[in-house]
Amino acid sequence: IRMTQSPSSISASTGDRITITCRASQNINTYLAWYQQQPEKAPKLLIYAASTLESGVPSRFIGSGSGTDFTLTISCLQSEDFATYYCQQYSDYPRLFGPGTKVDIK
Amino acid sequence: EVQLVESGGGLVEPGGSLRLSCAASGLPLSSFEMNWVRQAPGKGLEWVSYIGTGGTNIYYADSVRGRFTISRDDAKNSLYLQMSSLRVEDTALYYCARDLPGEPAGSFDIWGQGTVVTVSS
Repeated sequence: IRMTQSPSSISASTGDRITITCRASQNINTYLAWYQQQPEKAPKLLIYAASTLESGVPSRFIGSGSGTDFTLTISCLQSEDFATYYCQQYSDYPRLFGPGTKVDIK
Repeated sequence: EVQLVESGGGLVEPGGSLRLSCAASGLPLSSFEMNWVRQAPGKGLEWVSYIGTGGTNIYYADSVRGRFTISRDDAKNSLYLQMSSLRVEDTALYYCARDLPGEPAGSFDIWGQGTVVTVSS
């Protein structure tokens, strides 16, 4: 299984709505997670099972998709959302991550 | 507070060995499936290895299979990664991470702060 993400980077402003796409090379059902990583910090789980929000994660993070195509939408960017986002499949081993999408300030 | 703390990283020459540890506090490690994930400087995340409860199931990334060994000591509430035949490309920040409990397992809900491994002559 190969994982791709697009775009590789996004420049956006606070309050914007952005969407990140993750694609698997084969069907992974909904065995997909999204993580946020701030600089010099460990990744943080945002969404699992493609669309289930991890406890404590704000509702502006929305995951969707199944099969091979998935999206992470941030409905109203906040200052703390500028970070790198990774998708990860867990349908099979190896548990691959996507290459990441960096969201920075326009 | 639930916490994972990695240790054991350092500078090692190519071909050398190193043993990483991950100590858990605030949670009984024995109940959870665990992983090692690494991140090379300026690069993305790479899953390295998984161990199930009781050590019954173990998996490795192709890049480390045959050189790295994952293990756990539930009595010491600790996870380990024995790394041998180290290569320059193994240089990375190594995280231990817990599988989110429940089904389907496979996403990682608790991460340590990481320990740095540098392979260089």
